[in-house]
Amino acid sequence: DTAVSQTPKYLVTQMGNDKSIKCEQNLGHDTMYWYKQDSKKFLKIMFSYNNKELIINETVPNRFSPKSPDKAHLNLHINSLELGDSAVYFCASSQGDRVSGNTIYFGEGSWLTVV
Amino acid sequence: GNSVTQMEGPVTLSEEAFLTINCTYTATGYPSLFWYVQYPGEGLQLLLKATKADDKGSNKGFEATYRKETTSFHLEKGSVQVSDSAVYFCALRENTGGFKTIFGAGTRLFVKA
Repeated sequence: DTAVSQTPKYLVTQMGNDKSIKCEQNLGHDTMYWYKQDSKKFLKIMFSYNNKELIINETVPNRFSPKSPDKAHLNLHINSLELGDSAVYFCASSQGDRVSGNTIYFGEGSWLTVV
Repeated sequence: GNSVTQMEGPVTLSEEAFLTINCTYTATGYPSLFWYVQYPGEGLQLLLKATKADDKGSNKGFEATYRKETTSFHLEKGSVQVSDSAVYFCALRENTGGFKTIFGAGTRLFVKA
């Protein structure tokens, strides 16, 4: 069983389109994240949710909107896609928001290419 | 703010060579420190971690010691294999404030047969 699963794995779309990436974790964790990894492998946090509540919202264009219907799911919706949005998006989860030392578990990534 | 700096890559080694990837951090308080590894086409996974000063994390032949006096957490392996080729990320987890996990820029390792 995949602990953190995200779909789709590959997504090629045109500029201006709206797309969503879905994420589910079966680890029973209460905290979920979205990270963006650029072509140079630099990893940047975008959002973090704890028990469905938004707790980290980094400087991200408001075209990006996360939605957490329950603790096990955190979806990412992107409006009006731009070329610069091309990247790998990782969903992740961990147990405990205010816990030092907890491990983050990552999904396999969603490769988004905007043409 | 808190930050993680790791050596730039790529690092290219021959099989059975000794590996060191340097990592230093800046943080208030006493963060937890991690090494994550990303194999081609996959997500990151935990390699090892240390939660307090002088702790040594180890896994799969890799080791790193939490050095508070030098604010470092260097990754070492005595004999690398081709299968160790990956990108390695040093990270810290704040234990105050936002409790964020902050990642370094990653170091790509190539191991030649």
